[in-house]
Amino acid sequence: EAGVTQSPTHLIKTRGQQATLRCSPISGHTSVYWYQQALGLGLQFLLWYDEGEERNRGNFPPRFSGRQFPNYSSELNVNALELEDSALYLCASSSRVGRETQYFGPGTRLLVL
Amino acid sequence: AQSVAQPEDQVNVAEGNPLTVKCTYSVSGNPYLFWYVQYPNRGLQFLLKYITGDNLVKGSYGFEAEFNKSQTSFHLKKPSALVSDSALYFCAARGQAGTALIFGKGTTLSVSS
Repeated sequence: EAGVTQSPTHLIKTRGQQATLRCSPISGHTSVYWYQQALGLGLQFLLWYDEGEERNRGNFPPRFSGRQFPNYSSELNVNALELEDSALYLCASSSRVGRETQYFGPGTRLLVL
Repeated sequence: AQSVAQPEDQVNVAEGNPLTVKCTYSVSGNPYLFWYVQYPNRGLQFLLKYITGDNLVKGSYGFEAEFNKSQTSFHLKKPSALVSDSALYFCAARGQAGTALIFGKGTTLSVSS
């Protein structure tokens, strides 16, 4: 069974640009979570999507947004990039039945210059 | 506020010795508790979880964790450490199913040969 996949693996942008990160959950999983792992700040929750709806968001500005598609894949968009947005962005998915466990993808490393 | 604490930034153990990585939590309601491991430039791998039931939980790669409600702790243990166990370990918690995980800051485990 394929795990959570994320693309691209690396992304380099300049300040002010927009970044789009993509995530495909494990087959059968309907919930997708996004986390930011920035140096020195640990893992912080960004967004949670379930059945196409945004269910919760962390303490991040509105320029962090996303969506979930009918096939349950998800996209994270970061507008007006700032230097401090440089981080590893991790996507996780969970199933409806065993929704306690989140399984993580390998991440997208975003570098903002 | 809900939180997870990992009091040690680094734990050093000799190969073959037992290891313990500490975690305490503060969440509302009955806790859902997790341990994940992260290898360099990789995503998080699920090790084990406590939802309910037996306080001693067994997980992947010979790891186990003990839930202690009175001390609000969920320490990760392994009877005999391997050099390949060297990695970054995260404890995570949430108070109810389907919500985002709250992560500790992580503990770097270094196992020497």
